[in-house]
Amino acid sequence: AQSVTQLDSQVPVFEEAPVELRCNYSSSVSVYLFWYVQYPNQGLQLLLKYLSGSTLVKGINGFEAEFNKSQTSFHLRKPSVHISDTAEYFCAVSDYGGATNKLIFGTGTLLAVQP
Amino acid sequence: NAGVTQTPKFQVLKTGQSMTLQCAQDMNHEYMSWYRQDPGMGLRLIHYSVGAGITDQGEVPNGYNVSRSTTEDFPLRLLSAAPSQTSVYFCASRGQGARGYTFGSGTRLTVV
Repeated sequence: AQSVTQLDSQVPVFEEAPVELRCNYSSSVSVYLFWYVQYPNQGLQLLLKYLSGSTLVKGINGFEAEFNKSQTSFHLRKPSVHISDTAEYFCAVSDYGGATNKLIFGTGTLLAVQP
Repeated sequence: NAGVTQTPKFQVLKTGQSMTLQCAQDMNHEYMSWYRQDPGMGLRLIHYSVGAGITDQGEVPNGYNVSRSTTEDFPLRLLSAAPSQTSVYFCASRGQGARGYTFGSGTRLTVV
């Protein structure tokens, strides 16, 4: 079984500052990893995903994440945030090659960008 | 191509009432799932389906039923609503070989 831990429930940051949202996962098999973003009162939008290959993954809106297998982490980064990045961010894991490919989510991190 | 469509968007139920949350996708996706989202708990998997006629339980299946008679539709049934089922419900689908899910816009359910 897989699980995801997002230790930071909320991350306040000033506009144009860099940000890192942390995600750690647990799995006994190889995994696919995802970051989703949810803007207020909206559904979920895929930000980026790691399936295989390069451990540095670039996504939409200037976000990127790095897969670190030894530390079982998939932290999300952005070098300079905007007010419009204020949203909740969810890390998710899916088993690689499994029959179900269930997508399991972390509890989310609210990114609050202040002017 | 509408993607994943959920209806209704909002619903208020009385305790003990039953209802069905509808989910339809027009992408010919094999995999479909239902999640509930509660503050501080992220999205938790209720039920999922790997194809027509095949369903299985997720993390929090109690109080919910599903069926998958067609590839397109994956309804979620609440047989006897309870206040603990007040939540936002999301349906998602995924095609074969595509590793990210597409989500619907959600149904906000309140049980009083």
